[in-house]
Amino acid sequence: GENVEQHPSTLSVQEGDSAVIKCTYSDSASNYFPWYKQELGKRPQLIIDIRSNVGEKKDQRIAVTLNKTAKHFSLHITETQPEDSAVYFCAASKNQGGKLIFGQGTELSVKP
Amino acid sequence: DTAVSQTPKYLVTQMGNDKSIKCEQNLGHDTMYWYKQDSKKFLKIMFSYNNKELIINETVPNRFSPKSPDKAHLNLHINSLELGDSAVYFCASSLQGGGGQPQHFGDGTRLSIL
Repeated sequence: GENVEQHPSTLSVQEGDSAVIKCTYSDSASNYFPWYKQELGKRPQLIIDIRSNVGEKKDQRIAVTLNKTAKHFSLHITETQPEDSAVYFCAASKNQGGKLIFGQGTELSVKP
Repeated sequence: DTAVSQTPKYLVTQMGNDKSIKCEQNLGHDTMYWYKQDSKKFLKIMFSYNNKELIINETVPNRFSPKSPDKAHLNLHINSLELGDSAVYFCASSLQGGGGQPQHFGDGTRLSIL
């Protein structure tokens, strides 16, 4: 069945360091991979996404890489700041219906 | 100007009651979704509607019945509430339902069953 595995479940870094979160998906038909940031008590907010025809995408301090062969994709945050602290979710979807299959989430803590 | 709005924000009720959650989007999107986020923060799709037509029903109990009067609204009615229904329910919308479209989430409805 469709499954997305996300690691690590918790990640603690010092301010200014980089953070990397990794996801693996099971359905080779998946072609859209968004990342969401969810602060405590708030809605999931889309921070970056990538489609299967692209290997890497960058937006300021955030980048996402995709390896279709290995069915892996990763989120990279550079120069982390305390306001980056949140739960981050990866997700995957394919053309049928557009439903998002989410990873389990990573709680990122950036210490000042 | 909230793009995807849900009401109520909080819902506390007794087991066995029936309740409804409403969702409206002003983005002009064709597709709307309901997701459930459990106590461990896991997000799972429940339903999806495309232009008022049900396209996804993820083996959700029959006690949950979505209704879409028009493409800007997707409501969720829950009958005979159970303890396990306690969760945060998020509505979302996307331009189209064919995949590859960013989904925008509402603020969520925190349902607590006593």
